[in-house]
Amino acid sequence: DARVTQTPRDKVTEMGQEVTMRCQPILGHNTVFWYRQTMMQGLELLAYFRNRAPLDDSGMPKDRFSAEMPDATLATLKIQPSEPRDSAVYFCASGNPPGQGDPGELFFGEGSRLTVL
Amino acid sequence: LAKTTQPISMDSYEGQEVNITCSHNNIATNDYITWYQQFPSQGPRFIIQGYKTKVTNEVASLFIPADRKSSTLSLPRVSLSDTAVYYCLVGPIYNQGGKLIFGQGTELSVKP
Repeated sequence: DARVTQTPRDKVTEMGQEVTMRCQPILGHNTVFWYRQTMMQGLELLAYFRNRAPLDDSGMPKDRFSAEMPDATLATLKIQPSEPRDSAVYFCASGNPPGQGDPGELFFGEGSRLTVL
Repeated sequence: LAKTTQPISMDSYEGQEVNITCSHNNIATNDYITWYQQFPSQGPRFIIQGYKTKVTNEVASLFIPADRKSSTLSLPRVSLSDTAVYYCLVGPIYNQGGKLIFGQGTELSVKP
């Protein structure tokens, strides 16, 4: 059963430390999204990629966040340095653009819960 | 991107039909309407998508009036396991350069 895999599932770190979250999209999917979810802000779009190229990262704080796709099987989201306000659940999702009879749904991973002390 | 408005929360009982309405007054011609479901501690899951009239699948139905300024997600005979947050998204599908923007969602609570 194909699924999006995210690591780590849980991460507790101290302010100022570097955090890297990884995502393995479903094989064959060419679009990858990064979202962040908090109680206050809900689900926020951070960035998304098509065929490994960044299409939009306007939702991402540029000074400390970076997102990349080193290859088609790996997407990374890095925070350096991390701050307590970055505490959230980070979701990765993958999919393909809509096609004949296919609505182009996104498949989400289970998320990486980040706590910055 | 079209702004969406949906109730913050709804309560229902097992076996009832639940209708969640989403308002999107400034929907654009190339916008689609998509609904996702999210259970606690999980990522959202696609439910249904439509452009106009009615769409039905094994999980839900989506009703869209002619003016497309609102849409209604209909869940037939809900069970306790349908307790979740339901998101209405409106925007160009992402191969047209659109991005999926989630609003606050509707928290549905199904009681026995």
